[in-house]
Amino acid sequence: GAVVSQHPSRVICKSGTSVKIECRSLDFQATTMFWYRQFPKKSLMLMATSNEGSKATYEQGVEKDKFLINHASLTLSTLTVTSAHPEDSSFYICSATRQGAQETQYFGPGTRLLVL
Amino acid sequence: RKEVEQDPGPFNVPEGATVAFNCTYSNSASQSFFWYRQDCRKEPKLLMSVYSSGNEDGRFTAQLNRASQYISLLIRDSKLSDSATYLCVVGGRMRFGAGTRLTVKP
Repeated sequence: GAVVSQHPSRVICKSGTSVKIECRSLDFQATTMFWYRQFPKKSLMLMATSNEGSKATYEQGVEKDKFLINHASLTLSTLTVTSAHPEDSSFYICSATRQGAQETQYFGPGTRLLVL
Repeated sequence: RKEVEQDPGPFNVPEGATVAFNCTYSNSASQSFFWYRQDCRKEPKLLMSVYSSGNEDGRFTAQLNRASQYISLLIRDSKLSDSATYLCVVGGRMRFGAGTRLTVKP
């Protein structure tokens, strides 16, 4: 199988603080990792695509200075929500594609962020 | 027009029923297509890829119609455990549809 983990699974923080979310592929090397955000009863919205060792590609309307993505290795990508505000409260999900199976995405369990 | 559009649902069906979902896409150059299911407050899980010739996996059948630019998912003999939101995904830019909610009732 292809397992992707995320940490933390849930975080509550005060407005103005920064939150880092980790996404790891546990049993495979991920050529590409994706970060999504999902609001209640809404679809997943792709925020950015990251490839190991290169800068992330952000979707239109996603602020790259607010949502910092670091993809330091083939098994780890991090998303940092800087100066979080209540409107950033959402379900953040990462996914990864494995080498040789470029199109199939394996999703992490998601991180619920609540900004007070 | 949205890149990927789905029947919004909700679909409420009795156990044992056959139900079908459609998903249309706007980018005719898209090459890969998938169906995912998402349970409430969980991450999406791959249900099946959709191949040009259509493919079947047990009670689930997926088909692709390139001429009309849509994919479909057919669920036969639905089970209570099939209750979930079904998301279609169009490859390349990995666009998700908004999802179709299915509830299977006893």
